[in-house]
Amino acid sequence: DGGITQSPKYLFRKEGQNVTLSCEQNLNHDAMYWYRQDPGQGLRLIYYSQIVNDFQKGDIAEGYSVSREKKESFPLTVTSAQKNPTAFYLCASSIPRGTGASSYEQYFGPGTRLTVT
Amino acid sequence: AQTVTQSQPEMSVQEAETVTLSCTYDTSESDYYLFWYKQPPSRQMILVIRQEAYKQQNATENRFSVNFQKAAKSFSLKISDSQLGDAAMYFCAYRSAWNNDMRFGAGTRLTVKP
Repeated sequence: DGGITQSPKYLFRKEGQNVTLSCEQNLNHDAMYWYRQDPGQGLRLIYYSQIVNDFQKGDIAEGYSVSREKKESFPLTVTSAQKNPTAFYLCASSIPRGTGASSYEQYFGPGTRLTVT
Repeated sequence: AQTVTQSQPEMSVQEAETVTLSCTYDTSESDYYLFWYKQPPSRQMILVIRQEAYKQQNATENRFSVNFQKAAKSFSLKISDSQLGDAAMYFCAYRSAWNNDMRFGAGTRLTVKP
């Protein structure tokens, strides 16, 4: 089955520790994204990557870092510099612009709930 | 930057009835895509329906249909014959044809009453 996996589903960390959230896809998509979701708000873009070894900051990149060493993987590190890291994090992938696809919806993973105390 | 507005934080509908969720967006572009996503309690985001801006015909997927008004920048979702399983958060989303990011509204929580 093709899809996106995120692990773990729930993650707990102490304040001041860095933590890495995993995102893996086997859809052969070039583009991958990380979003943060807070109660009462929509999804806010943290980082996105259009191809391997390339990524761009989204609207709320401060306190986060990413890497894209493989097409299938796009891990997100929440650093101690992130002021309010407790949130629900969603990873997504899509066919990038210019491939001739009829539409460009994003496919989402199941999410990771991060709690920092 | 494009913005997406969902003015109804919460909506409720009686089972088997019809409900319409509103969405407006702001853009200066002429070529783009619009989506409605459903997020049930499991929090898995599920694509409900998509609309290409260059298509005048409103998209339909079984009980779900949209009313796309390009000039008014409006993209509402109509759910017919509502079912208990339709209860979820619904997000409207905009994607430019020229870049790869997607803008989401704040969501509408739909409750379905038996």
